[in-house]
Amino acid sequence: DQQVKQNSPSLSVQEGRISILNCDYTNSMFDYFLWYKKYPAEGPTFLISISSIKDKNEDGRFTVFLNKSAKHLSLHIVPSQPGDSAVYFCAAAGGGFKTIFGAGTRLFVKA
Amino acid sequence: EAGVAQSPRYKIIEKRQSVAFWCNPISGHATLYWYQQILGQGPKLLIQFQNNGVVDDSQLPKDRFSAERLKGVDSTLKIQPAKLEDSAVYLCASSLVPLNTEAFFGQGTRLTVV
Repeated sequence: DQQVKQNSPSLSVQEGRISILNCDYTNSMFDYFLWYKKYPAEGPTFLISISSIKDKNEDGRFTVFLNKSAKHLSLHIVPSQPGDSAVYFCAAAGGGFKTIFGAGTRLFVKA
Repeated sequence: EAGVAQSPRYKIIEKRQSVAFWCNPISGHATLYWYQQILGQGPKLLIQFQNNGVVDDSQLPKDRFSAERLKGVDSTLKIQPAKLEDSAVYLCASSLVPLNTEAFFGQGTRLTVV
């Protein structure tokens, strides 16, 4: 039962361009969403989050958009840098449910 | 601020053997999590502690996995006996509060069961 889905296993982007990572969820009780970044041989690190009362949250080059009606969120990275190459996990929480992670999207930023 | 510490980093054992992992969370973090991450999947919560009490262990295979958090600080996760399908990275994380907040992860322990 995959309540949080990241349908793109990988994404390749040119340096300086926009990276868009997508995430879909099925449980309408989720009301808090997070993105984590993971480098090889390290644990995930928190990147950005958004509450369901908002539809956008921005932090520097990173912006998360939430579309509650579509149960969809996306992470935009502008401009993309080679150091952004990592695995990105979407996670959803709330409604008394434990945090559920997606399977991740591996981002490659080419110099 | 020191991060979440885990040991060992790597462990290789034979099936049916036992293994234990240790975690020291960030000081002051009342909530501690153990996650299992199988290759190609996202982290899956095994158990969540609030101080030294268990909040959620619904996905912990209790016939072989056990975890404790004595004195509400350090925690150990044990597998006995291990199966081949237990091969994964075991991640420990901690957070200040249990809900709607980011967790801080350790580097994980990569377990290979042969």
